Amino acid sequence: KQEVTQIPAALSVPEGENLVLNCSFTDSAIYNLQWFRQDPGKGLTSLLLIQSSQREQTSGRLNASLDKSSGRSTLYIAASQPGDSATYLCAVTFDRGSTLGRLYFGRGTQLTVWP
Amino acid sequence: GAGVSQTPSNKVTEKGKYVELRCDPISGHTALYWYRQSLGQGPEFLIYFQGTGAADDSGLPNDRFFAVRPEGSVSTLKIQRTERGDSAVYLCASSFSGTGANVLTFGAGSRLTVL
Repeated sequence: KQEVTQIPAALSVPEGENLVLNCSFTDSAIYNLQWFRQDPGKGLTSLLLIQSSQREQTSGRLNASLDKSSGRSTLYIAASQPGDSATYLCAVTFDRGSTLGRLYFGRGTQLTVWP
Repeated sequence: GAGVSQTPSNKVTEKGKYVELRCDPISGHTALYWYRQSLGQGPEFLIYFQGTGAADDSGLPNDRFFAVRPEGSVSTLKIQRTERGDSAVYLCASSFSGTGANVLTFGAGSRLTVL
């Protein structure tokens, strides 16, 4: 069964801390992996997309890594700010018999950054 | 429009009623997806359209759920005989193509509450 798990479910940190969010998936045959941000009452905003042939992607203070063999991805947020407070979702497109665009999501990590 | 538009943003209905949720994708996007997000969960895939046809409807939970995209643009998700368990945020996404990098743009969602 193709599943995506995220830990921790919630995280509360003071402003300025560097932090790591974790995502694991059950099937290493993936097409790509994406990290999304979701704000309350809003849609999903794509942060980073890592193709299966890549090991990491960076955008500003965000860095996402991918280790297919171990079925893991991490999202690193440097120098966190209160504006980073949101739910972060990991989503995988699996390679085996899947519709491209059929994303399998984790439950998300709810991040709170306090001033 | 510039983004994916979903209406209504909120819908409250009574058990047993019929509901329609509308999605207006980004102009020119041929692929359209519906996802459902229950409280505390990640989004779950419902159905995928490529043009006018439903290329993958394997995520629809039962035959009370149906979706159409008659002209290959706007899509309507239809739910018959609503049940309390149908309460969720229904997300629509579109992409330029159902193949390739599958970068999806999500709408803000329609929050459905069944009393």
